[in-house]
Amino acid sequence: TQLLEQSPQFLSIQEGENLTVYCNSSSVFSSLQWYRQEPGEGPVLLVTVVTGGEVKKLKRLTFQFGDARKDSSLHITAAQPGDTGLYLCAGVKSRGAQKLVFGQGTRLTINP
Amino acid sequence: SAVISQKPSRDICQRGTSLTIQCQVDSQVTMMFWYRQQPGQSLTLIATANQGSEATYESGFVIDKFPISRPNLTFSTLTVSNMSPEDSSIYLCSVERDRGQFYNEQFFGPGTRLTVL
Repeated sequence: TQLLEQSPQFLSIQEGENLTVYCNSSSVFSSLQWYRQEPGEGPVLLVTVVTGGEVKKLKRLTFQFGDARKDSSLHITAAQPGDTGLYLCAGVKSRGAQKLVFGQGTRLTINP
Repeated sequence: SAVISQKPSRDICQRGTSLTIQCQVDSQVTMMFWYRQQPGQSLTLIATANQGSEATYESGFVIDKFPISRPNLTFSTLTVSNMSPEDSSIYLCSVERDRGQFYNEQFFGPGTRLTVL
């Protein structure tokens, strides 16, 4: 069973459109991270959310952690071709835990 | 963030042979992790490597197939032994930076793309 379910798994949209990627679980996480991975490279950390209900913004990207700390979302406004990549959510289940639990990933393509 | 390098960046190997992948970090870190990413898939943790102790392997991964060394706080190696085409994947190392008692962030190397013929 996948502890973190990401949706959609694939998304192809036109430049300028908005989109939201979801990361859901039945388990509580002490923190949750979002990564972006481009072809031929390792994942790059975008943000960490820690507090239930927390919202963080990174330019056109908005990240939210659910109140119950079981889910998270990534919203991109006015998507650009440079946003293309594999987006991964990953969670830490408890303080001091070292293992990250990864979602299946969302492969995003932004068409010019 | 830590700067992490991996060698080789890619390799094509014959079945039955072994390949050792190196991971070098620009600062001392306690925890290092090795992941496998199969084509089009997410990341699967292979093992966690602490300096001075044996690696801890995840379910489905064994030391005989994926021996790991961690000789110091900036370096680790992963060997993929007796390779088969099913081992064709991207292998990634990562390090953890402790941001305090609340959460730990991991930073990844660029990966080693392995193709087994």
